[in-house]
Amino acid sequence: KQEVTQIPAALSVPEGENLVLNCSFTDSAIYNLQWFRQDPGKGLTSLLLIQSSQREQTSGRLNASLDKSSGRSTLYIAASQPGDSATYLCAVLNYGGATNKLIFGTGTLLAVQP
Amino acid sequence: EAQVTQNPRYLITVTGKKLTVTCSQNMNHEYMSWYRQDPGLGLRQIYYSMNVEVTDKGDVPEGYKVSRKEKRNFPLILESPSPNQTSLYFCASSLRPGGSGYTFGSGTRLTVV
Repeated sequence: KQEVTQIPAALSVPEGENLVLNCSFTDSAIYNLQWFRQDPGKGLTSLLLIQSSQREQTSGRLNASLDKSSGRSTLYIAASQPGDSATYLCAVLNYGGATNKLIFGTGTLLAVQP
Repeated sequence: EAQVTQNPRYLITVTGKKLTVTCSQNMNHEYMSWYRQDPGLGLRQIYYSMNVEVTDKGDVPEGYKVSRKEKRNFPLILESPSPNQTSLYFCASSLRPGGSGYTFGSGTRLTVV
């Protein structure tokens, strides 16, 4: 059974710092991995999608990497800003699953201090 | 604007009173799904639909029903809500099952008293 873990559960950094969020998964037979951002009481916004054949994806100050063999993904945020404060969730989509179910980690709550 | 729209955003109801949470997408997506989000448990899938008239159970389907009569709509029905269904609910859609990204609605916060 696929399990997704995100460490740390919470992170506080000063503005301008570069940071890395971690996501690990137990079953490497994934279709893709997606990083989301969730603001308090709000929906999920898709940040980056990495297909299983890809190693990384970039969007602005965000860079996500995927190492399927080790069951890990990282989300790198460069030059963090207070507006980056949110919960970051990773989710994997398994191969062959008839449900096409995203399996989520429990998230990392990021606070960027001005 | 491409989006998934859920209504209502907030709902307080009493135990046993039937309710429906609507979900609509304007992207012609085949796949739609409902999730609930609870503290410490993350997001868990309730039901999903691969296409019109094709629905199936997710991980936590008890107490819920869905229908998919049209491609754009995927309502979540609670026939007899109970307090343990108090949660934050999300509808999501994707172009086709598997291999593509998901778009989520803004969420519905449901409280059952």
